[in-house]
Amino acid sequence: NAGVTQTPKFQVLKTGQSMTLQCAQDMNHNSMYWYRQDPGMGLRLIYYSASEGTTDKGEVPNGYNVSRLNKREFSLRLESAAPSQTSVYFCASSRDRGSPLHFGNGTRLTVT
Amino acid sequence: GESVGLHLPTLSVQEGDNSIINCAYSNSASDYFIWYKQESGKGPQFIIDIRSNMDKRQGQRVTVLLNKTVKHLSLQIAATQPGDSAVYFCAENTSSNTGKLIFGQGTTLQVKP
Repeated sequence: NAGVTQTPKFQVLKTGQSMTLQCAQDMNHNSMYWYRQDPGMGLRLIYYSASEGTTDKGEVPNGYNVSRLNKREFSLRLESAAPSQTSVYFCASSRDRGSPLHFGNGTRLTVT
Repeated sequence: GESVGLHLPTLSVQEGDNSIINCAYSNSASDYFIWYKQESGKGPQFIIDIRSNMDKRQGQRVTVLLNKTVKHLSLQIAATQPGDSAVYFCAENTSSNTGKLIFGQGTTLQVKP
């Protein structure tokens, strides 16, 4: 039982490049989330998926897209990376709305 | 606007002492609160949660207190150990329909041996 698994763990991109961050959970959770964490800013919600087949914007969605591929997987895509997207990205899942979130160990992304 | 904040960015305590980490929230409609612990290089780890119909909840060595009158949340850690050194975040559920959490900026707990 791995919980929430994120890949890759580290990534360096040049401005304008694209990439997809992968996330999978094996807890049969319904809801999944993408957060970014910046120094002094805490965690900010980018996008979330309350259930399979639905996605919604969070606090800071600009520059990102998401796909809830199935119940297990929720990916985050940067179409044209910018230095402002340098951050640590965390995926999380929860059994349902109002349940604790379980986090992965993050993807550390640097955009130069 | 909605915000969740912590009163102190860093808290330093002696091993064996009790620790109290505070958090203020601004949305009186929030109905669910969670404390997370984050160690260096890892994702946030769930510690304890509390719903708005309660004012206290206890776990193993941890207690969360909720004061809705002043919109204040605290985490008490008994007999603090070196392994408790981490950043602690409070989080607030602003909408029970979505489960979205708003996080505070975090308090770093340093435990001195």
